[in-house]
Amino acid sequence: EVVLTQSPATLSLSPGERGTVSCRASQSVVNHLAWYQQKPGQAPRLLISDISNRATGIPARFSGSGSGTDFTLTISNLEPEDFAVYYCQQYGNWPLTFGGGTNVEIK
Amino acid sequence: EVQLLESGGGLVQPGGSLRLSCAASGFTFSDYTMNWVRQAPGKGLEWVSMIRGSGTNTHSVYYADSVRGRFTISRDNSKNTLFLQMHSLRVEDTAVYYCAKDLSAYARNFFDSWGQGTLVTVSS
Repeated sequence: EVVLTQSPATLSLSPGERGTVSCRASQSVVNHLAWYQQKPGQAPRLLISDISNRATGIPARFSGSGSGTDFTLTISNLEPEDFAVYYCQQYGNWPLTFGGGTNVEIK
Repeated sequence: EVQLLESGGGLVQPGGSLRLSCAASGFTFSDYTMNWVRQAPGKGLEWVSMIRGSGTNTHSVYYADSVRGRFTISRDNSKNTLFLQMHSLRVEDTAVYYCAKDLSAYARNFFDSWGQGTLVTVSS
């Protein structure tokens, strides 16, 4: 099983700042890496797939990068609605696995 | 607009059974791989099971190790409905269960639409 380790667990930032979330895989997932956003009481929402492809309707301030085992989600110029939990997911190997999540909170 | 509506959750005793349903609309259900993903209270996401659009052929379903042999995924394409039959439930199966649609009809194995979830509580 591919273990995805996200860091940090919590990221405290102010609106307008830049946020960076890391996701490290225990083995290569090639480019099969997605990111989701989840707000309290809501289902997750797909942000990015294939490392860097934004899903329909996702603002350009969300970007993804990386390769192989190390990936990054960057949120430039944080908006109030961006404070949420973010998860990475790999789909390069079975079983499909998620990272433990990063809580981006208001400082 | 894609809509996924789960139902069937509730309180069940350890060792009991429950059947979840997910009613789908807004897309050609039979074309798409569908999944169940769960989230224990206050915890992260865990993929549970997947079924391809073609049905319940043994080559078309996948399970997480934690549920294999206890849970069965199935679908009724004529009714646009996804199911998860759960047996031998354990306390650690307590979670919100989400129905999730694959992005593509070619089974990319990540999820562009999710239901609102249904809560399963396993407790005596």
